[in-house]
Amino acid sequence: KAGVTQTPRYLIKTRGQQVTLSCSPISGHRSVSWYQQTPGQGLQFLFEYFSETQRNKGNFPGRFSGRQFSNSRSEMNVSTLELGDSALYLCASSRSGNTEAFFGQGTRLTVV
Amino acid sequence: QKEVEQNSGPLSVPEGAIASLNCTYSDRVSQSFFWYRQYSGKSPELIMSIYSNGDKEDGRFTAQLNKASQYVSLLIRDSQPSDSATYLCAVMTWEYGNKLVFGAGTILRVKS
Repeated sequence: KAGVTQTPRYLIKTRGQQVTLSCSPISGHRSVSWYQQTPGQGLQFLFEYFSETQRNKGNFPGRFSGRQFSNSRSEMNVSTLELGDSALYLCASSRSGNTEAFFGQGTRLTVV
Repeated sequence: QKEVEQNSGPLSVPEGAIASLNCTYSDRVSQSFFWYRQYSGKSPELIMSIYSNGDKEDGRFTAQLNKASQYVSLLIRDSQPSDSATYLCAVMTWEYGNKLVFGAGTILRVKS
């Protein structure tokens, strides 16, 4: 059974640019959540999508957005990148959102 | 007060010993509890979930939950050097929209 797939694995962007990250959940999983991991803040919840609807959002500025498609694949977008956005971005999928969540390999974003 | 607290460690145990990892949480209505293992440079890997008071065993791993004390722990029996990693405790409260709230993690080092 294929796991959660995130692309790309690594990204280097310049301040002010925007970036789009992609996540393909485990087959049959309808909930996709996104997390940011940094050494200083640990793992922080960004948002969760279920059946193409955002059900919950963390305490991040509006520059962070996402969406989910009808096949449950999800994308997150960060606009006007700042140096502090450098982090490991993780996607997790679960069947319904309140069950076990499985993480993808992550996308390592570096903003220079 | 942090919502989920873990001792950052490092916790050092000799090979073959029992490693005991602890986690406390502040929200009394939390319903789901998870332990993830994260190797350096990798994404978190789910190793245990527990939803009701008591013990849950899976191979060398035992999760223990005490909701009255707001305490969850993970025991690793017969610790191996390959168990050396950061162990993340995560708590989910359904009323808050299925987001996982993570502790900062405990670094475990198993010495051969």
